[in-house]
Amino acid sequence: TQLLEQSPQFLSIQEGENLTVYCNSSSVFSSLQWYRQEPGEGPVLLVTVVTGGEVKKLKRLTFQFGDARKDSSLHITAAQPGDTGLYLCAGARPGYALNFGKGTSLLVTP
Amino acid sequence: KAGVTQTPRYLIKTRGQQVTLSCSPISGHRSVSWYQQTPGQGLQFLFEYFSETQRNKGNFPGRFSGRQFSNSRSEMNVSTLELGDSALYLCASSTQSGAGETQYFGPGTRLLVL
Repeated sequence: TQLLEQSPQFLSIQEGENLTVYCNSSSVFSSLQWYRQEPGEGPVLLVTVVTGGEVKKLKRLTFQFGDARKDSSLHITAAQPGDTGLYLCAGARPGYALNFGKGTSLLVTP
Repeated sequence: KAGVTQTPRYLIKTRGQQVTLSCSPISGHRSVSWYQQTPGQGLQFLFEYFSETQRNKGNFPGRFSGRQFSNSRSEMNVSTLELGDSALYLCASSTQSGAGETQYFGPGTRLLVL
């Protein structure tokens, strides 16, 4: 069962634009992870958020965990072609396997 | 440290055949999880092994099975292949068992069933 809904599914933008990707659920998670997957490779962990309301910044990427720990967002400032890839969110609950959203496929063109 | 390796990288099989995929975790990692990734369903959890014991299992039919060896290497087997089994199969390793642990993924094995 997929508990996490990601939106949008696809995003095509030009270099320099800003964007936000959303990850929503009706379930509460103890933590939420964001991964990026490039073609021909496995997902690579970008960040883990643990506390409700937490905001983490990784250079031009800003991750936020909702106050109720049910949702999260990823904001990219001044996107670059190197940001192209599939962005996956994954929620962790005690006793359950990591639950992944279907992902947002991002294309940044020069 | 070497990353997670998966063999083979690509595989073509026909319906009814069986297949075995292999995963070597990062040295020192004792947990190995397997996922199936398809465009329609995304990443779906198959099972997790920790210290040779299956810790968790996803919602897949019994045709999907796995095992882990004493050196933490893991294999998954799919018997009586169906067209719908065509997918990217990913394994991920972590130091401890549990969904909250950081998982390190291999590049995957792309299986095509004809």
